[in-house]
Amino acid sequence: AQSVAQPEDQVNVAEGNPLTVKCTYSVSGNPYLFWYVQYPNRGLQFLLKYITGDNLVKGSYGFEAEFNKSQTSFHLKKPSALVSDSALYFCAVRDPPSNFGNEKLTFGTGTRLTIIP
Amino acid sequence: DGGITQSPKYLFRKEGQNVTLSCEQNLNHDAMYWYRQDPGQGLRLIYYSQIVNDFQKGDIAEGYSVSREKKESFPLTVTSAQKNPTAFYLCASSPRVSNQPQHFGDGTRLSIL
Repeated sequence: AQSVAQPEDQVNVAEGNPLTVKCTYSVSGNPYLFWYVQYPNRGLQFLLKYITGDNLVKGSYGFEAEFNKSQTSFHLKKPSALVSDSALYFCAVRDPPSNFGNEKLTFGTGTRLTIIP
Repeated sequence: DGGITQSPKYLFRKEGQNVTLSCEQNLNHDAMYWYRQDPGQGLRLIYYSQIVNDFQKGDIAEGYSVSREKKESFPLTVTSAQKNPTAFYLCASSPRVSNQPQHFGDGTRLSIL
């Protein structure tokens, strides 16, 4: 079974500094990887995904993620943090494709990102 | 705008009572999902449905039930058998194509009176 680990419950970054939110995964076969963001009392919003191709994936709100197959990692990054980036971030991995088409997601436990003005 | 609507936003349950959470989508997605979110535990899958009139148990289905009579609707019933129902419940949907992301509603927060 696939799994996702987010080793940091909390990450604090000064406004304007680069940020990294870490994610490692375990999956048989080629991974489908996703990042989501959640603001208080809201649902999850999709940020970006890695399916295949370039290891650096660009997404919404200036975020990007680097897929590293040898380290089984998919860390989320942003060059310059904004106070509005403060939120809960989830990494997720999808089951390997089946004949049906859509498969379940397995989520990490989340990382709370706080940007300090 | 297309999206997923969950209602109510807040819900209170009395002991021994069943309650039903609504989830409606107008995205024409085949698949729908219910998750439970507890602090520090991320999202855990309760039930999912990949097509109308069919659904499968997720990782924590005990004490919950669902139906999928229409493509756009996937209600979740929290039964009295669920002894610790206080949580934030999230509904999601996605197209059948496996590389597409899930779209989420804004959740229902369930508490016990």
